[in-house]
Amino acid sequence: EDQVTQSPEALRLQEGESSSLNCSYTVSGLRGLFWYRQDPGKGPEFLFTLYSAGEEKEKERLKATLTKKESFLHITAPKPEDSATYLCAAEGLTGGGNKLTFGTGTQLKVEL
Amino acid sequence: DTGVSQNPRHKITKRGQNVTFRCDPISEHNRLYWYRQTLGQGPEFLTYFQNEAQLEKSRLLSDRFSAERPKGSFSTLEIQRTEQGDSAMYLCASSLDGYGYTFGSGTRLTVV
Repeated sequence: EDQVTQSPEALRLQEGESSSLNCSYTVSGLRGLFWYRQDPGKGPEFLFTLYSAGEEKEKERLKATLTKKESFLHITAPKPEDSATYLCAAEGLTGGGNKLTFGTGTQLKVEL
Repeated sequence: DTGVSQNPRHKITKRGQNVTFRCDPISEHNRLYWYRQTLGQGPEFLTYFQNEAQLEKSRLLSDRFSAERPKGSFSTLEIQRTEQGDSAMYLCASSLDGYGYTFGSGTRLTVV
């Protein structure tokens, strides 16, 4: 069975204090590793998809990286508007793929 | 294109009543997915359609749940004889051939 574990569960940063969120995954053949941002009461908002180990993608203050067992979401010089829950999800090849297995998320709070 | 649209945004129902939710996917997307998210957890896969065919159902989808996608456009998710444990956010997502999962804002169900 596919599994995704995220750490830490919660993270408090000062504005400008860079950090990384971790996502460990166990899937039968990784089709894609996804990062989403979710604000309270809203649906997940797509950030990145990574397909193979060594791949990196960047968007503003966020950078996602992928190894064979983990993915990291690096946040550089965060701002209060980056506060949200960040979800990681893996799509494996079990049963033909077609579904995402999510972690429980990292709740990020960025303070002034 | 206004993204994935879900209605209603909130639904409060009494235990034992039936409820139905609607999802309108991105128009050119042929795949549609339903997920359920409870507080503090990541979304969990329920079922998915390719065009009008329902191709996979999670064991989470008891026989009280039924989903349809007539004509391969919008989809409905019905829950019969609701229970308090059904209280959750129900999320719909769509994709084109499994690329680019886009989520809607969800329907928050509260069973009292």
